[in-house]
Amino acid sequence: EVQLVESGGGLVKPGGSLRLSCAASGFNFSNVWMSWVRQAPGKGLEWVGRIKSKTDGETADYAAPVKGRFTISREDSRNTLYLLMNSLKTEDTAVYSCTTDWAIYGHTNWGQGTLVTVSS
Amino acid sequence: DIQMTQSPSSLSASVGDRVTVTCRASQSISSYLNWYQHKPGKAPKLLIYAASILLSGVPSRFSGSGSGTDFTLTISSLQPEDFATYYCQQSYSTLTFGGGTKVEIK
Repeated sequence: EVQLVESGGGLVKPGGSLRLSCAASGFNFSNVWMSWVRQAPGKGLEWVGRIKSKTDGETADYAAPVKGRFTISREDSRNTLYLLMNSLKTEDTAVYSCTTDWAIYGHTNWGQGTLVTVSS
Repeated sequence: DIQMTQSPSSLSASVGDRVTVTCRASQSISSYLNWYQHKPGKAPKLLIYAASILLSGVPSRFSGSGSGTDFTLTISSLQPEDFATYYCQQSYSTLTFGGGTKVEIK
């Protein structure tokens, strides 16, 4: 069974940093592209960014609102995905979920998410 | 980035009704369009990819159509378990979601 479990969320001040983790199991993590998706309170889904598999170059792409502030990385030996968030803004407050990313075919598996609150 | 506009943002319908949700892209995305169902407290569920292909296990009352800039999700006969928020997502370029359509009980 595919499982994705996020951790690392919490309360952080504007301008601060936070690193989220996503522990994956039940599938061949190293072969799969992964994405982060967030949902702000009362708002819709927003794609944050993705990282390709090592065989596809392990490159990352980001949504415009987070580009230059967020960094996605992966550690295939630990089956773990990361999201490093710097220069956090109040508008980054959201539940962050990791997902499997099948490129044009969509996100088939999602974690339950971890809440990030950016507030002074 | 490609903008995705869904309409309506919410609708009220009864069990058995035919429901249609529309998604419009700011530029042509061919058929690179996915649909998700999201219920409160649960992970979103991928229903349809490539505009019209149902994922295995998704009830046949769901269907998708369209290409280019205009797309439609149709539920032919709404069931109690279908009350949820539905999102479209384009996968033609840097991914973007539509704003969502909340389907509520009338």
